[in-house]
Amino acid sequence: LLTQSPGTLSLSPGDKATLSCRASHSLSSHYLAWYQQKPGQAPRLLMFGTSNRATGIPDRFSGSASGTDFTLTISRLEPEDFAVYYCQQCGDATDLTFGGGTKVEIK
Amino acid sequence: EVQLLESGGGLVQPGGSLRLSCAASGFIFNRHALSWVRQAPGKGLEWVAGISGSGSTTDYAGSVKGRFTISRDSSKSTVSLQMNSLTVDDTAVYYCAKDRRAATPPGNYYDMDVWGQGTTVTVSS
Repeated sequence: LLTQSPGTLSLSPGDKATLSCRASHSLSSHYLAWYQQKPGQAPRLLMFGTSNRATGIPDRFSGSASGTDFTLTISRLEPEDFAVYYCQQCGDATDLTFGGGTKVEIK
Repeated sequence: EVQLLESGGGLVQPGGSLRLSCAASGFIFNRHALSWVRQAPGKGLEWVAGISGSGSTTDYAGSVKGRFTISRDSSKSTVSLQMNSLTVDDTAVYYCAKDRRAATPPGNYYDMDVWGQGTTVTVSS
């Protein structure tokens, strides 16, 4: 089980966003990914292996882990960053799951 | 360009069946596992089913096991999802998605770097 918090983050362009994803059990950093989804669009892969940016993802996005807590940080929010973000546990099919999502909205 | 294009969605009555298809292009088809991921209206993402690159291994979420069947046709570079005994809880946008990694162990699915645009399935009487 992956628990994302907060459910909604209200911030302004230029702010720093910190999104949390907590795993209910030990999870290797290799098996945690983050996605961004905008209304009416398919999800887009942002980060894989916790801290590796996918192709074309700007360096204002970063990921980290501490134990079972995983964090996606957006250093300075751009207008196009307001979206819903999901974490995903990868690996064995029986463990495959997404977090409930965090919506980053304009304050 | 790497691309996935879903088709086959529509309106179906409870208890009915539907077959979704996903046409792939731009990558070595049999090197990557493929999955179907769905999103109910206003809800989050749910992994539904996956198939290994070779097609030898298929996996399902508990919510669809025994009702859905995933398959792939390497000659046509397509992956399909046969959905039977549909219920209103199956109403969702269904996405086809490709594993970023190639040649992963069967039964394992990783981060997905290419997604289709989605096809909408509505189960209603």
